[in-house]
Amino acid sequence: GAVVSQHPSWVICKSGTSVKIECRSLDFQATTMFWYRQFPKQSLMLMATSNEGSKATYEQGVEKDKFLINHASLTLSTLTVTSAHPEDSSFYICSAGKQGAGLRDNEQFFGPGTRLTVL
Amino acid sequence: AQSVAQPEDQVNVAEGNPLTVKCTYSVSGNPYLFWYVQYPNRGLQFLLKYITGDNLVKGSYGFEAEFNKSQTSFHLKKPSALVSDSALYFCAVRAYNYGQNFVFGPGTRLSVLP
Repeated sequence: GAVVSQHPSWVICKSGTSVKIECRSLDFQATTMFWYRQFPKQSLMLMATSNEGSKATYEQGVEKDKFLINHASLTLSTLTVTSAHPEDSSFYICSAGKQGAGLRDNEQFFGPGTRLTVL
Repeated sequence: AQSVAQPEDQVNVAEGNPLTVKCTYSVSGNPYLFWYVQYPNRGLQFLLKYITGDNLVKGSYGFEAEFNKSQTSFHLKKPSALVSDSALYFCAVRAYNYGQNFVFGPGTRLSVLP
């Protein structure tokens, strides 16, 4: 158990368009999901923390109006990159925490990532 | 504030030799420490974690890591490297309080030479 999926796995779009990326916890409920961004040959940088039923918490320097996050259910969070530009091209990775009293409840489970290329 | 350092950008090792990927951390309170591996264009795969208990933690694919509280280190090790171990390795720390995000190190690229 504890599988996280992302869709799409890769997307190419034109500058100025919006792109939605989905993150799903397939076999567990996740009240909190995290969105990361990774530039080539760099580490993951946390963009925002997505909380089910409430507004996301954005890290400093991340434009909340550009990166819209919706966490409508306990198994789905979406990241929408609005009016995308070439500099938004990156690898976006989500993760979900599994709540409970078990040994794996301190882990985050990562999705496979979404490669966004903005032309 | 939490932080993670991986002092080596790149580690090269010959196949069959032991490997070590270094990690040091800074965190308030008790740390949760993790190692993840990333292959090209893929997400992160969990290798192992330290929460509590034995300082030597064994994980997936023959990897292990030793938690050293006095040196605030959590180095990843493997007795005999494989070419297929070549990848990007990330150390991460999380504070004790559940709900706080992970802080990742900058990553170390491991190359195992045949």
